[in-house]
Amino acid sequence: DVVMTQSPLSLPVTLGQPASISCRSSQSLVSSDGNTYLYWYHQRPGQSPRLLIHRVSKRDSGVPDRFSGSGSGIDFTLKINRVEAEDVGVYYCMQLTHWPPYTFGQGTKLEIK
Amino acid sequence: EMQLVESGGGLVQPGGSLRLSCAASGFIFSSYRMDWVRQVPGKELVWVAHVSPDGSTTYYADSVKGRFTIFRDNAKNAVYLQVNSLRAEDTAVYYCTNFDYWGPGTLVTVSS
Repeated sequence: DVVMTQSPLSLPVTLGQPASISCRSSQSLVSSDGNTYLYWYHQRPGQSPRLLIHRVSKRDSGVPDRFSGSGSGIDFTLKINRVEAEDVGVYYCMQLTHWPPYTFGQGTKLEIK
Repeated sequence: EMQLVESGGGLVQPGGSLRLSCAASGFIFSSYRMDWVRQVPGKELVWVAHVSPDGSTTYYADSVKGRFTIFRDNAKNAVYLQVNSLRAEDTAVYYCTNFDYWGPGTLVTVSS
């Protein structure tokens, strides 16, 4: 199974400041079709996950452009340009390249300082 | 608007069974794979089961293989998860998802 490792697990950020979350996979996430199926989700307290980014860097519909994804192979990053209060919650990376099983990172909890 | 709504969760004794349902709307259901993912409150997301768009192919996490069954009815735009031989460690919120969108989840509590 592909192991997804996120860091940091806790991320205190000042409003208006940038934030960055790392996700590393135990093997390359490049699929045989050439795509890299690395997704990022945001889960607010008491809510279900919401898709932010798919295939490494493609923002889902309605996702603010302060969110961006990058990376390749086994190393991926989610960046928030300027953190807003609504960005609190837990961020998960997930791989859909090597399945079953689909696997998630442990989650990174973003809080406002 | 894409929508998924789960139902069927509840309190069940160890060894018991439940059938979780997920009603889909706002997208061409028969074109999408569907999955169930669970989450112990405060913990990470864990994939449970997958069904292909036509229902012919299913996959399961090792922890539920032989006890859980995923199936779908494309005529009703619904996907189901039959959960049998429940254990305390199956206690979690169960989400229905096509990985683009997630339902609000249904809580399954296994306790005597």
